[in-house]
Amino acid sequence: DAGVIQSPRHEVTEMGQEVTLRCKPISGHNSLFWYRQTMMRGLELLIYFNNNVPIDDSGMPEDRFSAKMPNASFSTLKIQPSEPRDSAVYFCASNRDSTYEQYFGPGTRLTVT
Amino acid sequence: GENVEQHPSTLSVQEGDSAVIKCTYSDSASNYFPWYKQELGKRPQLIIDIRSNVGEKKDQRIAVTLNKTAKHFSLHITETQPEDSAVYFCAASREDMRFGAGTRLTVKP
Repeated sequence: DAGVIQSPRHEVTEMGQEVTLRCKPISGHNSLFWYRQTMMRGLELLIYFNNNVPIDDSGMPEDRFSAKMPNASFSTLKIQPSEPRDSAVYFCASNRDSTYEQYFGPGTRLTVT
Repeated sequence: GENVEQHPSTLSVQEGDSAVIKCTYSDSASNYFPWYKQELGKRPQLIIDIRSNVGEKKDQRIAVTLNKTAKHFSLHITETQPEDSAVYFCAASREDMRFGAGTRLTVKP
């Protein structure tokens, strides 16, 4: 298995632009998680899906952030409009269920200028 | 929701010494407690985990202990090596997973 796949690996954009991050979970995994990592705030859970349904989005910072999972093999995290404070590494992770290891993707390093 | 606290935030040890990182959690229903290691510029990767029906687990130089009554768990690394230098995260999971703030471990040769 290729593991969790994220794209792009790096994204540099200007403030106000829309940013879309993509994730393909490991086949057969039922849960998918989006995290944001910064030096100041550590590893924050933004939202997670179970069987493609959003379960908890309380970590989504504000309405500029949205996430979708149209099918079991694809999810997107969108920021519109982006702001410099959104600069971070965004990780996607998946697991079989809550009592199993989460496998992280390589992350997307987002820089908003 | 679950709240996980991790201490210390930084830890520096001499090669060969032991390192201990401690975490507490708030949700007594949490039943899975993994530890992740994150090297610079890389993704977090699982190094050891423990489930709520077990008090201790060991894998070579790494061990984890869990005290469900007190709601705390710890990571123990013995005979530390320079390649153990990284950021370590604890986590507690019931349905979702909440991470501690991380401990930056430096092993000095």
